[in-house]
Amino acid sequence: DQQVKQNSPSLSVQEGRISILNCDYTNSMFDYFLWYKKYPAEGPTFLISISSIKDKNEDGRFTVFLNKSAKHLSLHIVPSQPGDSAVYFCAATERLYNQGGKLIFGQGTELSVKP
Amino acid sequence: NAGVTQTPKFQVLKTGQSMTLQCAQDMNHNSMYWYRQDPGMGLRLIYYSASEGTTDKGEVPNGYNVSRLNKREFSLRLESAAPSQTSVYFCASSEVVGSGSTQYFGPGTRLLVL
Repeated sequence: DQQVKQNSPSLSVQEGRISILNCDYTNSMFDYFLWYKKYPAEGPTFLISISSIKDKNEDGRFTVFLNKSAKHLSLHIVPSQPGDSAVYFCAATERLYNQGGKLIFGQGTELSVKP
Repeated sequence: NAGVTQTPKFQVLKTGQSMTLQCAQDMNHNSMYWYRQDPGMGLRLIYYSASEGTTDKGEVPNGYNVSRLNKREFSLRLESAAPSQTSVYFCASSEVVGSGSTQYFGPGTRLLVL
């Protein structure tokens, strides 16, 4: 059972426009969510996170929105740049009873930003 | 400060051979993790070590063993490699504190089992 799902394997956006990447989860105990970015032949790097007590977190061009009732989060990138082209993974964790800080990852969405 | 390092970067094995993937971190993190990444499957946790001296199974532990050698190092061993273990393996570490569980990843090891 996939607890964290990214239903869009790929997304193509024009440079300067908004990119919206979506993620759904099924476990209502998840209380902390993260987005990672991964370039080819490199390890994932942390991008932005959000706690379940918030519904929005912003860092420069990146904003993550959390809708707990829908068990849905999204990452907005505005404006999109060609250097944003990468695979984006969302991840979730249940901090209170989570021994060792385990994360559950989605399948990833490959973003392509065209000049 | 190198972060998380992994060796080797790439390895080809024959079915039945064994090998150990090495991982080290210099961030003084307590927790370390091994993942595998396969197309369309995201990152799946193989084993993790919440602290020095402890290890636990993740989502896909079959066919693997781990050793938390000390606080810095966490190795992953394939005793008898199978083609199904062809994958990209990532090691990660984190300092698990109340504010979150941000994990920092190494560059990966690409393993091909023939």
